[in-house]
Amino acid sequence: KAGVTQTPRYLIKTRGQQVTLSCSPISGHRSVSWYQQTPGQGLQFLFEYFSETQRNKGNFPGRFSGRQFSNSRSEMNVSTLELGDSALYLCASSLAGYPRQPQHFGDGTRLSIL
Amino acid sequence: AQKITQTQPGMFVQEKEAVTLDCTYDTSDPSYGLFWYKQPSSGEMIFLIYQGSYDQQNATEGRYSLNFQKARKSANLVISASQLGDSAMYFCAMRENYGGSQGNLIFGKGTKLSVKP
Repeated sequence: KAGVTQTPRYLIKTRGQQVTLSCSPISGHRSVSWYQQTPGQGLQFLFEYFSETQRNKGNFPGRFSGRQFSNSRSEMNVSTLELGDSALYLCASSLAGYPRQPQHFGDGTRLSIL
Repeated sequence: AQKITQTQPGMFVQEKEAVTLDCTYDTSDPSYGLFWYKQPSSGEMIFLIYQGSYDQQNATEGRYSLNFQKARKSANLVISASQLGDSAMYFCAMRENYGGSQGNLIFGKGTKLSVKP
């Protein structure tokens, strides 16, 4: 069974640009969550999507947005990039409705802002 | 207030010895789950073990076991017979079940484990 796939693995952008990250969940997983990981703040929850609807949202500005498609694939968009957006962005998928099931993570997209 | 506290930023252990990584949590939700993940330098988060708040027994998965003390709100990870490949960051995380939703994971700051040969 294929794991969670995130593309691209690495991205370099400049301030003010926008970026779109992609996540393909494990087959059959309908819940997709996004996390930002930085050395200073650690792992922080961005948002969760289930059946194309945002079910949960973390404390991030509106520049961070996402969506989920009918095949459960998800995209995350960050507009007007700032230096502080440099981070590892992790996507995780899980079987919704089964609390004991863990979230399975992808390898992440490492975003660097110049 | 931090919901997940990992007090050991870094730890060393000799190969083949056991090591305990500490985790305390804070929640008022009676229904929650606790997870441990391993993150090697490559960045991928690898699920290790799960403990539910209503589970009567401590969870075990191979060399990993969880010392769950509900009254003290602690969920320490025990790795037996450490291997060089165990060198990584270890994160404790909690998922609260609120309003019927599974909720997101709340992570601790992590503990960097280094296994010495």
